[in-house]
Amino acid sequence: QQQVKQSPQSLIVQKGGISIINCAYENTAFDYFPWYQQFPGKGPALLIAIRPDVSEKKEGRFTISFNKSAKQFSLHIMDSQPGDSATYFCAVRKGAQKLVFGQGTRLTINP
Amino acid sequence: EADIYQTPRYLVIGTGKKITLECSQTMGHDKMYWYQQDPGMELHLIHYSYGVNSTEKGDLSSESTVSRIRTEHFPLTLESARPSHTSQYLCASSQAGTDYGYTFGSGTRLTVV
Repeated sequence: QQQVKQSPQSLIVQKGGISIINCAYENTAFDYFPWYQQFPGKGPALLIAIRPDVSEKKEGRFTISFNKSAKQFSLHIMDSQPGDSATYFCAVRKGAQKLVFGQGTRLTINP
Repeated sequence: EADIYQTPRYLVIGTGKKITLECSQTMGHDKMYWYQQDPGMELHLIHYSYGVNSTEKGDLSSESTVSRIRTEHFPLTLESARPSHTSQYLCASSQAGTDYGYTFGSGTRLTVV
């Protein structure tokens, strides 16, 4: 049983466009929702994270939108750049438990 | 600089050989993890540790074993490598009670021929 479902599996966006990646989860007890960015040949790195007490968090061009009632959260990348091309993973966590990762989205930004 | 180190970065080895993938972190994190990942694909947790002398199997069944004798060191061992073990292995660490998430190493790309 997948605790978090990520979509789409792959995404192609033109430079300057908005990239949107979605995640849906089942357990309402999850209380920490991070996004990780992974470049080829590297391990994932924490990009941005949100707690369920806020509906949105913005850091530069990256924004997490959180919909608690729908049990969904999404990553928005504004003014997408070729350097944003990477694989993105959402994750969920309950308290001090392990992170549960989504399936990953391979993002390609065309110049 | 606090970081997490994995060695070797690349390893090509013959079937039946015993191998140990090294992982060390300098951040004093109490929790450490091993993930298996085919390039650009899902992360599969194979082992984790919440402290010295504590190890647990992850969600993906693995023929590997781990040990945690020191806080900073979490090696993964394959007693007899097989072609099906060909993959990327990522080590990560985290500190309880923080929202700094996981810090990942750059991984070991293992090829068993």
